[in-house]
Formats: sequence, structure tokens, C-alpha cells
Amino acid sequence: GDSVTQMEGPVTLSEEAFLTINCTYTATGYPSLFWYVQYPGEGLQLLLKATKADDKGSNKGFEATYRKETTSFHLEKGSVQVSDSAVYFCALSDRGSGTYKYIFGTGTRLKVLA
Amino acid sequence: NAGVTQTPKFQVLKTGQSMTLQCAQDMNHEYMSWYRQDPGMGLRLIHYSVGAGITDQGEVPNGYNVSRSTTEDFPLRLLSAAPSQTSVYFCASSYSIVGIYEQYFGPGTRLTVT
Repeated sequence: GDSVTQMEGPVTLSEEAFLTINCTYTATGYPSLFWYVQYPGEGLQLLLKATKADDKGSNKGFEATYRKETTSFHLEKGSVQVSDSAVYFCALSDRGSGTYKYIFGTGTRLKVLA
Repeated sequence: NAGVTQTPKFQVLKTGQSMTLQCAQDMNHEYMSWYRQDPGMGLRLIHYSVGAGITDQGEVPNGYNVSRSTTEDFPLRLLSAAPSQTSVYFCASSYSIVGIYEQYFGPGTRLTVT
């Protein structure tokens, strides 16, 4: 079945450091890939998405590229801020499966220190 | 637009009690889902609906019922609460553009079963 694996957290960085959160997936069809962010006490919000191979999603300085050859969708940001502290979820929605279901990774907590 | 709203925000139940978590959306989205979020396990799909009158089971449906009588509302019923149902519950709604779904999440309900 479909699955999403993301790196264990927590990830602790100093302000202005470079961020990478790894995400790999398995899918039987042709998935769309997403990163969601959850700030403390809130629901998840869509951060960025990519719908086909080599697409790059970007938002708020975050980027991720859909790599079909390595089945990966790693999240990156060149210079993190304290306000980026949150939990980040990688997710896929597999159009090829013919269903609506989403598969989420377990989440990676990011803590940015001033 | 209020987006996706959930009530209550917090709830404490005794084992064996029943209750309904409310979810409503005002975006005229076709798809709605219920997830539970547990530490280290990410989000797991409980039930989902692809339209009024149509519901289906997700990954962890046991102990929960849903119905979808209108596009706007998607309540989740706990039939006989158990401590294993202590969790944070999120409702989400979604629309499809050529089979690509972006989900919009409510703020969550934190449920404790004693």
C-alpha cells in the first residue's frame, strides 16, 4: 500500500540556519505530494504542493521538489526563523488509486532557537 | 468564510459515555474527513465522505460513526468512549481540481477519556 516516511524529529536549529526535512514515499499510482505545517494548538495548513515529477512547490521561503526517480519530496528552507517552529507533515494523495484518501507521514517537529 | 469549524475544543468523557464531535464547513467542499492525531503516529483517517449521503471507512473506523446529511456538516459520533480514544481529532474538507485534493483543516478537538 501507499506510505510516507519522514525523518524523525525533533530538529533543533539556530535562527538563519539551513533546513532540510527528508520525506520519501511509496505509491502504486501517480501521487500528488504535499507539505503541511501545524503551529502549536492549531490544525494543519497546506504549506506547498507538487503534482508531477520535477515540479517544485514553494511558499514562504520553503521549497520541495518532486523527485520520481528517488521517490522523495524533501522540504528545504535557506534561512529559518523562530516563527517557523512547528510540526511539518509530508503527505500524498494518490490519484491513480481512484480514491480520495490521503496518507500522512508521522510529522517532524522543528524548533528554531533565537 | 469561517472555513472549517469544530466544536467543542476540549472534552473530557468517562469510559462508556457517548458524544458527537461537530464539524462544519462553509466552502461548499465535496469531500470531508475525520482524522485522529496521536504522538508519533501522525494523522490517521477515521472516516471520510465524498458527498452528501456517502461515507466510507478509513484506517481506524472502529468505535466511531459518521453521517453526512448535508454538504456542510460531518459529525463524528463516539458510541461508547474508551481510554484508547483519547486523542486530538481533526476534521478536514477538500475539493478536487483534476484529481488533486488540497485539504483544509479545522482547529481540532482535544478529547480525554478517563
